Amino acid sequence: AQSVAQPEDQVNVAEGNPLTVKCTYSVSGNPYLFWYVQYPNRGLQFLLKYITGDNLVKGSYGFEAEFNKSQTSFHLKKPSALVSDSALYFCAVRDMNDDMRFGAGTRLTVKP
Amino acid sequence: DGGITQSPKYLFRKEGQNVTLSCEQNLNHDAMYWYRQDPGQGLRLIYYSQIVNDFQKGDIAEGYSVSREKKESFPLTVTSAQKNPTAFYLCASNSGRFPNEQFFGPGTRLTVL
Repeated sequence: AQSVAQPEDQVNVAEGNPLTVKCTYSVSGNPYLFWYVQYPNRGLQFLLKYITGDNLVKGSYGFEAEFNKSQTSFHLKKPSALVSDSALYFCAVRDMNDDMRFGAGTRLTVKP
Repeated sequence: DGGITQSPKYLFRKEGQNVTLSCEQNLNHDAMYWYRQDPGQGLRLIYYSQIVNDFQKGDIAEGYSVSREKKESFPLTVTSAQKNPTAFYLCASNSGRFPNEQFFGPGTRLTVL
């Protein structure tokens, strides 16, 4: 069965600095990978996805993610963090059976 | 939160009561899902439905029930058999084309008094 791991419960960065939120995956077959963001007491908002093609995927709000097949990783990145980026971030993987599995989430805090 | 609405936003239940959470979508999506979110555990799938009048159990279906009588509606009932129902419940949908992303509603926070 497919799974994702988000090894960091919490990531702290200063405003203006680059940020990285890590995700590794395990899936048989081709991986279909997603990043979502959740603000307090809200639903999840889709940021970006990797299906095939370029390893660098660009998404909403200036976020991007790098797919690395050899390291089975799909890290979320942003060149310059904003205080408003502070939220809970989820990585997810979908397999050919159409099951979607979510990581436990990483709380990002951007300090002014 | 796309075209998915959930109601109520907050719900309080006494022990022994059944409660029903509403989920409606106007995205014309075939598939709908219910997830439970607990702190530090990510999202866990309760039930899903790929088509009207059909639904499947997810990983944690015990103590929950659903119906899918209309394409746009997928209500979740939390029964008295669910021993620890206090959680944040999220409804999602996606179009039938694989592997599209899921769209989420704003959630319902259920608290057992």
